[in-house]
Amino acid sequence: AQSVTQLGSHVSVSEGALVLLRCNYSSSVPPYLFWYVQYPNQGLQLLLKYTSAATLVKGINGFEAEFKKSETSFHLTKPSAHMSDAAEYFCAVSDQAGTALIFGKGTTLSVSS
Amino acid sequence: SQTIHQWPATLVQPVGSPLSLECTVEGTSNPNLYWYRQAAGRGLQLLFYSVGIGQISSEVPQNLSASRPQDRQFILSSKKLLLSDSGFYLCAWSGGGAQTDTQYFGPGTRLTVL
Repeated sequence: AQSVTQLGSHVSVSEGALVLLRCNYSSSVPPYLFWYVQYPNQGLQLLLKYTSAATLVKGINGFEAEFKKSETSFHLTKPSAHMSDAAEYFCAVSDQAGTALIFGKGTTLSVSS
Repeated sequence: SQTIHQWPATLVQPVGSPLSLECTVEGTSNPNLYWYRQAAGRGLQLLFYSVGIGQISSEVPQNLSASRPQDRQFILSSKKLLLSDSGFYLCAWSGGGAQTDTQYFGPGTRLTVL
């Protein structure tokens, strides 16, 4: 069965610092991988996705993620945090297009000035 | 462009009362539709998904049901709410072709059962 592990339920960084949110997955087949962001009391917004094209995926708001098959990881990074990046971030996986997404438990990112 | 709507945005209901949440998608045809629940301490969980009118798959046994009376309409219902039904309900859609792999989420409905 697929699963997603997000290491660290809370991550705190200073404005301008590197953001690194970790995601490891388990899947028996090449997966589809996603990062979503959720602001308080809002739905999930797609940040980026990996679908077996380039292993380094660029998304919105300056975020990017790298698919590493050998490490079964899909960590999310941003070189310089902004106050507006404070939100909850979810990593998700599916092994087939159009099927259920399996979500990690989420990581809350706090950004201090 | 495609948009997804959910209503109501918030709802407070007593235990034992019925429930109806609605989700509609605009700007696409024959989407896959999904209902997820986000509850405190339990993360995001898929409840139902539908690949077409009248076709519903249930992922988790519970006192909720779903229906798809029209191509772009997805309804979540309950005859009698439980306290444990409280949570944030999210509807999502995915399209055909190259967009089938990506799910896009609505704004959500916050349900509080008292």
